[in-house]
Amino acid sequence: SQQGEEDPQALSIQEGENATMNCSYKTSINNLQWYRQNSGRGLVHLILIRSNEREKHSGRLRVTLDTSKKSSSLLITASRAADTASYFCATVRSGTYKYIFGTGTRLKVLA
Amino acid sequence: NAGVTQTPKFQVLKTGQSMTLQCAQDMNHNSMYWYRQDPGMGLRLIYYSASEGTTDKGEVPNGYNVSRLNKREFSLRLESAAPSQTSVYFCASSVPESSYEQYFGPGTRLTVT
Repeated sequence: SQQGEEDPQALSIQEGENATMNCSYKTSINNLQWYRQNSGRGLVHLILIRSNEREKHSGRLRVTLDTSKKSSSLLITASRAADTASYFCATVRSGTYKYIFGTGTRLKVLA
Repeated sequence: NAGVTQTPKFQVLKTGQSMTLQCAQDMNHNSMYWYRQDPGMGLRLIYYSASEGTTDKGEVPNGYNVSRLNKREFSLRLESAAPSQTSVYFCASSVPESSYEQYFGPGTRLTVT
């Protein structure tokens, strides 16, 4: 399978805590993106990091990328109940328009 | 501005029946994609179309055909449905030449009995 792997598969935290999820991928990439999926809905784009970047911030989101280890992490700070969702990483293989999604992390934020 | 729309939202088919899932986008995006999502798994790419008039296979194309009717519309056809094709199907569009951000439709939940 070409799919990336994410861990943990599921994460349960209290409101106000930070949530960290990790993604590993297999091929050389142009960029890596993170998406959120609320139950039963389509995916929504959160943030993109290019292969020549190491860290990127957007609001309460912080993404890191280590191309030597083929891995990325997504940190959500000061989590809220509304952050409860599944989170997926997606990579775009170099030289293609093909997106490869990870298996996802189910985050539950308890109020 | 509706974004990406998909029809139908739900469908139940018997094994061997055929159907076409419709997708349209109004954002003038060049690239369009069809994915399937099975329980506990991420999205798997079935087919994509980098531009009007072109289509390419993704990771799991067997049992499916696609048509890029024009820049707005990209349809997915199941010629002879099988229970293994029970899944949620998502259409997406993007402009990979610039932002790479994908915009997703709401999905079609398909059950094949």
